[in-house]
Amino acid sequence: AQTVTQSQPEMSVQEAETVTLSCTYDTSENNYYLFWYKQPPSRQMILVIRQEAYKQQNATENRFSVNFQKAAKSFSLKISDSQLGDTAMYFCAVSLNGKFYFGSGTKLNVKP
Amino acid sequence: IAGITQAPTSQILAAGRRMTLRCTQDMRHNAMYWYRQDLGLGLRLIHYSNTAGTTGKGEVPDGYSVSRANTDDFPLTLASAVPSQTSVYFCASSASGTGRSGANVLTFGAGSRLTVL
Repeated sequence: AQTVTQSQPEMSVQEAETVTLSCTYDTSENNYYLFWYKQPPSRQMILVIRQEAYKQQNATENRFSVNFQKAAKSFSLKISDSQLGDTAMYFCAVSLNGKFYFGSGTKLNVKP
Repeated sequence: IAGITQAPTSQILAAGRRMTLRCTQDMRHNAMYWYRQDLGLGLRLIHYSNTAGTTGKGEVPDGYSVSRANTDDFPLTLASAVPSQTSVYFCASSASGTGRSGANVLTFGAGSRLTVL
């Protein structure tokens, strides 16, 4: 079975500071993809960043970057220069053979 | 605008009633999925379809059925709703499927909030 664990149910960060959200996963597969999705209060699911497991270089998307540790099966999300609009639920996900498995989410509050 | 349309947006339903949540995509994605979102549990896969004419069970399929008569539509049916099916339901699609690496991302609909009393 594949599982995704997000151990931080809720986090807070001051505006303009940096925050890291944790994610670990369990799979016996070697080829897979990892994702972070954002869900603001509007309920819409928005892709933040994607990482291919066969790539060693960490993905970066503007203020968002990941720290991918394949051996440790860890995939954390770093948000730099946090903005009020970053307030949302963040879900980590793993894609295996076309199926997508999600963690339980981390609620991030960005404080002014 | 290309994307996924879900209907209804919100529905209150009496226990024991039959309910179908509709999902339509116009991106010609081969794979489609139904998830339910519950507080503290994240998104759990109910059913999926890798291509028109085929469906498969996800993590929590009991009490739900799906069909995939064509590429665009993927309705989810609750034959006899129970209160534990109160949830937010998301339809999603992807250009990948079983047998291929999950290179493409999931595109989501806006969700359907279902309350079963």
